[in-house]
Amino acid sequence: NAGVTQTPKFRILKIGQSMTLQCTQDMNHNYMYWYRQDPGMGLKLIYYSVGAGITDKGEVPNGYNVSRSTTEDFPLRLELAAPSQTSVYFCASSSQAYEQYFGPGTRLTVT
Amino acid sequence: EDKVVQSPLSLVVHEGDTVTLNCSYEVTNFRSLLWYKQEKKAPTFLFMLTSSGIEKKSGRLSSILDKKELSSILNITATQTGDSAIYLCAVTIQGAQKLVFGQGTRLTINP
Repeated sequence: NAGVTQTPKFRILKIGQSMTLQCTQDMNHNYMYWYRQDPGMGLKLIYYSVGAGITDKGEVPNGYNVSRSTTEDFPLRLELAAPSQTSVYFCASSSQAYEQYFGPGTRLTVT
Repeated sequence: EDKVVQSPLSLVVHEGDTVTLNCSYEVTNFRSLLWYKQEKKAPTFLFMLTSSGIEKKSGRLSSILDKKELSSILNITATQTGDSAIYLCAVTIQGAQKLVFGQGTRLTINP
């Protein structure tokens, strides 16, 4: 039982490049979330999903896209990376919206 | 707009001291308040407080929810260096499957 896994752990992107952050959970949770955490700040919700095929925007969705084709996977797509997207990205899952289980994070730098 | 505010943002104490961290919220249709501890990587769940469970305790950590004052405190007694972390407060809202996080309190325990 691996919980929530994220890949890659680190990535450096050039301005304008695109990439996909992968997130997989093996707990059969319906709810999955993407957050970003800037230095010294709390977590800001980017997108979330309440089940396969259903996604919704969070507080800071601009510049990102998601899809949820299976219960297990919830990839986050960055199009046309900008320096403002330099952050640590966390994926989380839960059976309800209460106790969310977090992945180890992806540290992304855009230069 | 739903808002969660934590104070102080940063706190440095000596090992053995007792600390109190604060969290206040302004949200529509409050459902529950959660505390997380974040060390080097992903946040880990500590407590969940609801209208039917306004006080929780686990070892040296305890938390109380004050629904009248729309706030919560997290107490840590006899602090140890291993308590050094960012402590995050989050609130869930009725009918919404997501958490709203505060900005966190960075706690440093010096030996």
